[in-house]
Amino acid sequence: NAGVMQNPRHLVRRRGQEARLRCSPMKGHSHVYWYRQLPEEGLKFMVYLQKENIIDESGMPKERFSAEFPKEGPSILRIQQVVRGDSAAYFCASSPDRSGYTFGSGTRLTVV
Amino acid sequence: QQQVKQSPQSLIVQKGGISIINCAYENTAFDYFPWYQQFPGKGPALLIAIRPDVSEKKEGRFTISFNKSAKQFSLHIMDSQPGDSATYFCAAVQRAPARQLTFGSGTQLTVLP
Repeated sequence: NAGVMQNPRHLVRRRGQEARLRCSPMKGHSHVYWYRQLPEEGLKFMVYLQKENIIDESGMPKERFSAEFPKEGPSILRIQQVVRGDSAAYFCASSPDRSGYTFGSGTRLTVV
Repeated sequence: QQQVKQSPQSLIVQKGGISIINCAYENTAFDYFPWYQQFPGKGPALLIAIRPDVSEKKEGRFTISFNKSAKQFSLHIMDSQPGDSATYFCAAVQRAPARQLTFGSGTQLTVLP
């Protein structure tokens, strides 16, 4: 039973490009959370999704950021027109029942 | 607004010593308090967790002490080992609906051999 799979592990984008981060939750987990970790800081909640629904996006910037969790396939965190301040590690966590969260190894985004 | 405050920011302990990390929270809607361990390049991994109706929980060398009235909780690592060197995060989970984790700022623990 594979854990939470995130890809790519490292992503380099130039300013203004789009970044797509993927998260495949553990088998049987229908709850997905995205967190962002800036250097030397704790993780900050961004968005909580269930299959085909965004439940809570209170931590996500209003512009340029979007997330989805389709019926089939991984959850996607999309950042349009990236800026240097978007450089961070982005972690996905999944849960079967909004407890017992399992984290992926993250995607480290670098904007140059 | 930092809802979970964690200290110290960094901690150096000799092998065999006790590592103590403290956290405080303000939001009384939190009802679950996990601790996570993170190694460089990895995601956080659950270490131990406690609910507020319990004052202490022990799992092996790791103990959580919880003081509900003071809204404080701490992690004690007994007989600290070099392999424990990592960043530790306390967290708190709010009641429904989303139940997302609110993390402290982290403590970088170094255990000297």
